[in-house]
Amino acid sequence: DADVTQTPRNRITKTGKRIMLECSQTKGHDRMYWYRQDPGLGLRLIYYSFDVKDINKGEISDGYSVSRQAQAKFSLSLESAIPNQTALYFCATGTGDSNQPQHFGDGTRLSIL
Amino acid sequence: SQELEQSPQSLIVQEGKNLTINCTSSKTLYGLYWYKQKYGEGLIFLMMLQKGGEEKSHEKITAKLDEKKQQSSLHITASQPSHAGIYLCGADGGGSNYKLTFGKGTLLTVNP
Repeated sequence: DADVTQTPRNRITKTGKRIMLECSQTKGHDRMYWYRQDPGLGLRLIYYSFDVKDINKGEISDGYSVSRQAQAKFSLSLESAIPNQTALYFCATGTGDSNQPQHFGDGTRLSIL
Repeated sequence: SQELEQSPQSLIVQEGKNLTINCTSSKTLYGLYWYKQKYGEGLIFLMMLQKGGEEKSHEKITAKLDEKKQQSSLHITASQPSHAGIYLCGADGGGSNYKLTFGKGTLLTVNP
């Protein structure tokens, strides 16, 4: 089983809909991150959490919200989806120790029509 | 904020050829991470470099860190179709936050 699991893997939805992307991990890491990837723009950080009850904005948090329900779960919500939020979304986990890399899920491909 | 520039943006090579991808930072590098991504899939961690002059190898891939130039290079020897994908460098901007900034990636195509 994957250490970092994202659901769903693919989602197509319409403008204005509320969408939730979920991430769960079995690595026991305290830190969790949400990124989006767009062609030509690389990975950009949306939100991150250092532990339960700790939420921090990344560089592109507008239009998104997150919830850290437990150490192992971190969900990303789009309250009212818009087409320019079409992207590949990644969840990652980390220990906070720069000697250890972040570990990524397989991604959620989100299309907003 | 820290920015990472990768070059080239894309690269097409014939199988068996050597190649190099560069990652240059706008600020001091405290840790540099290389990941590989197959199209539409997650990021696979390749190597991490933390000290100036450090060099690491895994199979046919070698990464080096030049602290003075604020640059890392990823070198693939005798490329194979399995090396194809997007290579991303990520850097820790220092401090205790451990937030990574990523380059835009280099798309590598290896023709048989």
